Amino acid sequence: SQQGEEDPQALSIQEGENATMNCSYKTSINNLQWYRQNSGRGLVHLILIRSNEREKHSGRLRVTLDTSKKSSSLLITASRAADTASYFCATFEYGNKLVFGAGTILRVKS
Amino acid sequence: DTAVSQTPKYLVTQMGNDKSIKCEQNLGHDTMYWYKQDSKKFLKIMFSYNNKELIINETVPNRFSPKSPDKAHLNLHINSLELGDSAVYFCASSQDGIGQNTEAFFGQGTRLTVV
Repeated sequence: SQQGEEDPQALSIQEGENATMNCSYKTSINNLQWYRQNSGRGLVHLILIRSNEREKHSGRLRVTLDTSKKSSSLLITASRAADTASYFCATFEYGNKLVFGAGTILRVKS
Repeated sequence: DTAVSQTPKYLVTQMGNDKSIKCEQNLGHDTMYWYKQDSKKFLKIMFSYNNKELIINETVPNRFSPKSPDKAHLNLHINSLELGDSAVYFCASSQDGIGQNTEAFFGQGTRLTVV
């Protein structure tokens, strides 16, 4: 089953602009995580937000979580060409199963 | 030191062959996973092991058999390879997957091409 769904599927912006990606999920969660995948590489964990948190920051990343709407957003501020990657949200389903959304492909043009 | 390492990175093989992908983690984690990523980048969980015990077995053909000789290793053996098995396979580990607020660490992936 696919727990998280991201939109947009693809996003192309200019360097310096902000990028916002959204994720929706279906079941109740303990936490929601965001990962980045550079082309040809494995996934790298970016940030984890717990179900009792509404917002979390890490450097240029800002994550929000709305459990009433079962949705989350990832904002990358002042984007750089190096931010070009695919971004995935993920949640634990039935305790043990880390399930990923379809991902958003971000392209930052310099 | 690579936290989660999997070998080989690339694997090209003919239909009908049997192949294995190895995975090792040096993080001391209890839980390990195998994921399959298709051409559209969708990640599907295949298996999850906790302390060498199988805890998740998704709807995966029984041609796929995971083996965990110890909690630091989770290998994936695939019998009678089919064209549809072509994908990138990722190994991952986390401290404890059971309802914990922990992140997963991924290997670099194995790109399997069946011809």
